[in-house]
Amino acid sequence: GAVVSQHPSWVICKSGTSVKIECRSLDFQATTMFWYRQFPKQSLMLMATSNEGSKATYEQGVEKDKFLINHASLTLSTLTVTSAHPEDSSFYICSAETGTTSYEQYFGPGTRLTVT
Amino acid sequence: GIQVEQSPPDLILQEGANSTLRCNFSDSVNNLQWFHQNPWGQLINLFYIPSGTKQNGRLSATTVATERYSLLYISSSQTTDSGVYFCAGYNAGGTSYGKLTFGQGTILTVHP
Repeated sequence: GAVVSQHPSWVICKSGTSVKIECRSLDFQATTMFWYRQFPKQSLMLMATSNEGSKATYEQGVEKDKFLINHASLTLSTLTVTSAHPEDSSFYICSAETGTTSYEQYFGPGTRLTVT
Repeated sequence: GIQVEQSPPDLILQEGANSTLRCNFSDSVNNLQWFHQNPWGQLINLFYIPSGTKQNGRLSATTVATERYSLLYISSSQTTDSGVYFCAGYNAGGTSYGKLTFGQGTILTVHP
């Protein structure tokens, strides 16, 4: 149980275009989902917290107009990187909290974004 | 949010050896998790352990909440154990709810 999927697993796009990444909880409802970013050989950094039906909460230094997050249902959150630039190239990972009997979070497999 | 420090940053073992990874955190935690990140980047949940001791096969973990540290034990290591091990935690009080803070990770290499 507690499986989280992401799509796509990797994407290459040209500078100036937008890319959407989907995060789904497959076998549970997630009122809260989280988006992380990981640069090569570094740790994960939280970008934003996504709550179903409300606006996302962004961490300091994360541009909300550049990284649009939508949490339209209890099983789906999307991250859209708008007007992507090469410096946005990174590994993006989502997680979801089951929120039932514990605070445990489960992570998706990640999406590798390369902007050329 | 809390601060999380992991040690050692790198660890090289021969297959069959045992090892201990440590995670120190700066405040009390409601969530403390250990992960193994595989070569494809997937974070595998190892333990959810805000306190106490758990075991799963060759792996076990202990969190001493009052002293703000957690240990991950790997026994009889195998080459497939190689990868990066992260601990992460948060304190649910105030505005930090759900905001997992990750340590910098321990890179484990197991040689045959």
